[in-house]
Amino acid sequence: SAVISQKPSRDICQRGTSLTIQCQVDSQVTMMFWYRQQPGQSLTLIATANQGSEATYESGFVIDKFPISRPNLTFSTLTVSNMSPEDSSIYLCSAARGGGSGYTFGSGTRLTVV
Amino acid sequence: GQQLNQSPQSMFIQEGEDVSMNCTSSSIFNTWLWYKQDPGEGPVLLIALYKAGELTSNGRLTAQFGITRKDSFLNISASIPSDVGIYFCAGQLDGNKLVFGAGTILRVKS
Repeated sequence: SAVISQKPSRDICQRGTSLTIQCQVDSQVTMMFWYRQQPGQSLTLIATANQGSEATYESGFVIDKFPISRPNLTFSTLTVSNMSPEDSSIYLCSAARGGGSGYTFGSGTRLTVV
Repeated sequence: GQQLNQSPQSMFIQEGEDVSMNCTSSSIFNTWLWYKQDPGEGPVLLIALYKAGELTSNGRLTAQFGITRKDSFLNISASIPSDVGIYFCAGQLDGNKLVFGAGTILRVKS
């Protein structure tokens, strides 16, 4: 299965600023996703990162707040824009090769907004 | 939207005991996945199930894809301290998106 490197692993940010999280996969993958995991909660899908086109966002998430890039088949970024304390969470990148293969997750980025 | 009902929410067990947890849904899924998440880490895939009725083992772990495609269970036999963590079920929908259960927190008494 793919190996995912995600950075930064954690950050403390001032409200009103933006943070870009990077996700690097060690091999080409068909699909990449971004999830949010609030403290003590399960994972919620933010969006599907589409290679070479705009990401597909889930209900409750919008591009202006969470712009996503995916310039190639191994790399994606998620930006958390104009942050507020409510954005404090763990953000996780996931990748899959498709064809029924399981999904691999990065170690996550633990974001605290103060 | 689709929801997975995962139970139990948490459990304390004695080392050496067997553990069982399950997920149910009102929706049909193409694939069921079971993950374990340790503190400060991302979820790690334990078992993937692709066919209704499929029973799959991975060491001390056994999982089954329900015949109706709306449920799955995970069993852990002879639990050990390193089994501590949060276990998530996930169902795969069309379009390759995953929906996650709320998680089962496993605590082991040594």
